[in-house]
Amino acid sequence: GNSVTQMEGPVTLSEEAFLTINCTYTATGYPSLFWYVQYPGEGLQLLLKATKADDKGSNKGFEATYRKETTSFHLEKGSVQVSDSAVYFCALLMYSGGGADGLTFGKGTHLIIQP
Amino acid sequence: SQTIHQWPATLVQPVGSPLSLECTVEGTSNPNLYWYRQAAGRGLQLLFYSVGIGQISSEVPQNLSASRPQDRQFILSSKKLLLSDSGFYLCAWRLGTTEAFFGQGTRLTVV
Repeated sequence: GNSVTQMEGPVTLSEEAFLTINCTYTATGYPSLFWYVQYPGEGLQLLLKATKADDKGSNKGFEATYRKETTSFHLEKGSVQVSDSAVYFCALLMYSGGGADGLTFGKGTHLIIQP
Repeated sequence: SQTIHQWPATLVQPVGSPLSLECTVEGTSNPNLYWYRQAAGRGLQLLFYSVGIGQISSEVPQNLSASRPQDRQFILSSKKLLLSDSGFYLCAWRLGTTEAFFGQGTRLTVV
């Protein structure tokens, strides 16, 4: 079956540090890939996405590139802020068009940014 | 535009009491609907998903059930809550190849 693996953390960084959160996946085919962010007490919000190999998703200074050869979708940001503290989820979607569901989430990475 | 509503936002219930959480989606038709649970400090656990009215797939055997009485309504229920049912419950929807969209969640505390 499909799966997503990401570091669980917590990951603790100082403000303005460079961020990388690794995400690798296993899927039979070519999924769409997503990063979601969850702030305390809230639902998940889509942060960025990529739907095919070599696509780069970007939003709010975050970036991730769909790497088919390494089956990875690592999240990066050049300079983090305290407000980036949250839980980040990597996810994939294999759309089959039938009744089965192909949405799979990683376990989430708790990011803590210290001033 | 599409919106998802989930209520209540917080709920405190005694052990053994029933539960009903409701989720509705506006602005789309025939979405896939999901119920997830998060225990404190943990990841997402998929509880149920539905690809159509009356079609429910259960991912984890437990004390909970789900129903989809209308196209855009998804209900999570329990006849008798356990302490272990405490958590943060999230409803989500998606359509075709789009990403999933989440509600704001319900914080359930069973006491």
